[in-house]
Amino acid sequence: GESVGLHLPTLSVQEGDNSIINCAYSNSASDYFIWYKQESGKGPQFIIDIRSNMDKRQGQRVTVLLNKTVKHLSLQIAATQPGDSAVYFCAENRQGTGNQFYFGTGTSLTVIP
Amino acid sequence: DVKVTQSSRYLVKRTGEKVFLECVQDMDHENMFWYRQDPGLGLRLIYFSYDVKMKEKGDIPEGYSVSREKKERFSLILESASTNQTSMYLCASGLGGGTEAFFGQGTRLTVV
Repeated sequence: GESVGLHLPTLSVQEGDNSIINCAYSNSASDYFIWYKQESGKGPQFIIDIRSNMDKRQGQRVTVLLNKTVKHLSLQIAATQPGDSAVYFCAENRQGTGNQFYFGTGTSLTVIP
Repeated sequence: DVKVTQSSRYLVKRTGEKVFLECVQDMDHENMFWYRQDPGLGLRLIYFSYDVKMKEKGDIPEGYSVSREKKERFSLILESASTNQTSMYLCASGLGGGTEAFFGQGTRLTVV
């Protein structure tokens, strides 16, 4: 079946280290991807997005990489801080489905001071 | 800043009650969504709407209905609440066409 999923449900990193969160998708028709961050008790917040005509996009301390060959998406967080502790979701927008987003199950990132 | 506001942060309802969850957005977005979030299952789409009075079923519409009488407001209705509808409910809005969706803070509903 089709899925948007994450390889690891939890990730712990030392403060100051880089974090990498991975996401696999199976629908080759997906053409737009978003990473969301959800802190405890809050709704998901947009971090960064990427379209299928790109393979890399950088923001402030975050980079998203897209490998369409293996249908893989990753989020890299540089110099991880305690405030980065949250659950991270990838979401895909599939062509032909209107404006629906399909979400992965999420990865919980814990930053160890 | 885009604001998506859900009317309640926490709700406790009894089995069989009719429950209304309200969502309002202030950015004139065409598209609005209702998701439920459960541990280990991520966010699952219940219903979405791409225009006033228009609605489309998502992946898990059973037991729910929606109403969109005005562009800024999208309501989720549980016709007869059941304990398996205890969950976090998230509303979102967006322009569509491959642009981000903005989320509200969520409503944690407990059905007893």
